[in-house]
Amino acid sequence: NAGVTQTPKFRVLKTGQSMTLLCAQDMNHEYMYWYRQDPGMGLRLIHYSVGEGTTAKGEVPDGYNVSRLKKQNFLLGLESAAPSQTSVYFCASRYGGGAKNIQYFGAGTRLSVL
Amino acid sequence: GENVEQHPSTLSVQEGDSAVIKCTYSDSASNYFPWYKQELGKRPQLIIDIRSNVGEKKDQRIAVTLNKTAKHFSLHITETQPEDSAVYFCAASKDSWGKLQFGAGTQVVVTP
Repeated sequence: NAGVTQTPKFRVLKTGQSMTLLCAQDMNHEYMYWYRQDPGMGLRLIHYSVGEGTTAKGEVPDGYNVSRLKKQNFLLGLESAAPSQTSVYFCASRYGGGAKNIQYFGAGTRLSVL
Repeated sequence: GENVEQHPSTLSVQEGDSAVIKCTYSDSASNYFPWYKQELGKRPQLIIDIRSNVGEKKDQRIAVTLNKTAKHFSLHITETQPEDSAVYFCAASKDSWGKLQFGAGTQVVVTP
């Protein structure tokens, strides 16, 4: 039972390049989230999904796209990377609605855009 | 939207002393308040949470208190140990989608 797995762990991009971050969970969770973490700013929600085939915008969605084609996977895409997207990206998943509100986080992806 | 403010940004305590971190939130509809601990280079992990129908919750050396009227909640760590050194984040949520609004974090350093 691996929990929430993110790939890759590190990546360096040049401005304008594209890439996809993969988040996979094996807990059969319905809800999945992508956050970015910047120094002094906590974690900010980029996009989230409440089930297979659904996605919604979070607090800072600009410059990112997401897809949830399979329940266990949530992909975060950067179409044209910018230096402002240098950050640590965390994926999280949650069982569903109601009382079980705990979000479980992946180990993170450290992205540098030059 | 919801805004969560967290204080202090850094906290240095002697081993064995208590640490208190405070958060305020803006949206009175928020009803779920988790606290996450993040060690250097690691993922955030839930350490304790509280719902709006409860005023206080305790788990060994950690406790959280909630004042709905004043819209603030606090994390209390007693008998601090070096392994308590980490960044602590508070968060608030108000909807069924579980979206969390995080505070900026508190760097806690416990010195022996």
